[in-house]
Amino acid sequence: GENVEQHPSTLSVQEGDSAVIKCTYSDSASNYFPWYKQELGKRPQLIIDIRSNVGEKKDQRIAVTLNKTAKHFSLHITETQPEDSAVYFCAASIEGTYKYIFGTGTRLKVLA
Amino acid sequence: GAVVSQHPSWVICKSGTSVKIECRSLDFQATTMFWYRQFPKQSLMLMATSNEGSKATYEQGVEKDKFLINHASLTLSTLTVTSAHPEDSSFYICSARGGDGSSYNEQFFGPGTRLTVL
Repeated sequence: GENVEQHPSTLSVQEGDSAVIKCTYSDSASNYFPWYKQELGKRPQLIIDIRSNVGEKKDQRIAVTLNKTAKHFSLHITETQPEDSAVYFCAASIEGTYKYIFGTGTRLKVLA
Repeated sequence: GAVVSQHPSWVICKSGTSVKIECRSLDFQATTMFWYRQFPKQSLMLMATSNEGSKATYEQGVEKDKFLINHASLTLSTLTVTSAHPEDSSFYICSARGGDGSSYNEQFFGPGTRLTVL
């Protein structure tokens, strides 16, 4: 089955700097890759997603890149702010199954 | 739109009792609902997938007789933790997807239920 690895597990950056979180997946049939932000005790919130027919997607300070050949995708947050501090999860989904397999999570801390 | 609710938001029960958690899609029809379990500082682990009107599909290692899932309507799925034990204490989150025919379906997550078994 699908396996998703995520790195780093923790990340501290200074306010205004950029943060990059990387994920790799194992099943080449995966075709949808969402990223979620989760604050303590809250539900995961979708922040950006990318489909396998696209290599890059950007939404203001957030961008995601996908390399299908290497089977990895990355989340880029620019101009980080303290409110970006949270746990971020990547996920991969295989067409037709609709299941999400989540990465292990990255705890991002933005230092003011 | 695309709001998913869960009830209760938290529950404390004694060991050996059963607990039912409800997951509702409030403004759309959910053809498929998913149940996840999340232990502290860990990722979301998919427990099972439920489709309206059919039996749930459980992930490997999840006991179907312990975690009973019912998806009786297009807006409601329930998870019953039977004979709960302290090791079942966790954050249980449901999600739902619509049935618009697209191959890519975003999942909408509920707020989660924190279960504590004494």
